[in-house]
Amino acid sequence: QQQVKQSPQSLIVQKGGISIINCAYENTAFDYFPWYQQFPGKGPALLIAIRPDVSEKKEGRFTISFNKSAKQFSLHIMDSQPGDSATYFCAASIPPKAAGNKLTFGGGTRVLVKP
Amino acid sequence: DTEVTQTPKHLVMGMTNKKSLKCEQHMGHRAMYWYKQKAKKPPELMFVYSYEKLSINESVPSRFSPECPNSSLLNLHLHALQPEDSALYLCASSQTIYGTGYTFGSGTRLTVV
Repeated sequence: QQQVKQSPQSLIVQKGGISIINCAYENTAFDYFPWYQQFPGKGPALLIAIRPDVSEKKEGRFTISFNKSAKQFSLHIMDSQPGDSATYFCAASIPPKAAGNKLTFGGGTRVLVKP
Repeated sequence: DTEVTQTPKHLVMGMTNKKSLKCEQHMGHRAMYWYKQKAKKPPELMFVYSYEKLSINESVPSRFSPECPNSSLLNLHLHALQPEDSALYLCASSQTIYGTGYTFGSGTRLTVV
């Protein structure tokens, strides 16, 4: 059961353009929504994260928009650069109890920024 | 030190071999994780250690055996693996079990022949 659905699977954007990746979730218990960037042969790196009490968060060229009622959130990459070419994963987690903080990942989006 | 270090980076093993993957962090994080990632797929959680105790096992086959010798180290012992176990094995840590912002290592690329 895929609890976090991510789209599109791949994306090609020109240098300077805007990359937009969308995620949707069903579990209303999710309370933390991070985005990870992964380059080939490397582990995922935390890019930016948001909690449901905030509708938008911006860090540099990266912005998360969050729509709690629609159970959707998205990543916008402004002024996309060739160095942004990577796979992006959205994720979500529920408040951990004693057991640990489990991340549920979306399927990933491969972004290619053309120079 | 803000890194999670995994060794080895690459490992090729036969189906009858026994090998171990090692993960180390010196950030004082008290939660550590093993994830498995197949090509072009998202990471999938295998195990969670919280304060050196196994707290989550995502129904992982017994041929994978985790161990947390101390708060900085996490091992994954491998025995009698199958070719379909070939994947990138990622270790991660977070400050506590409530820790946001996992830090992932670069992973061990495992090939089972």
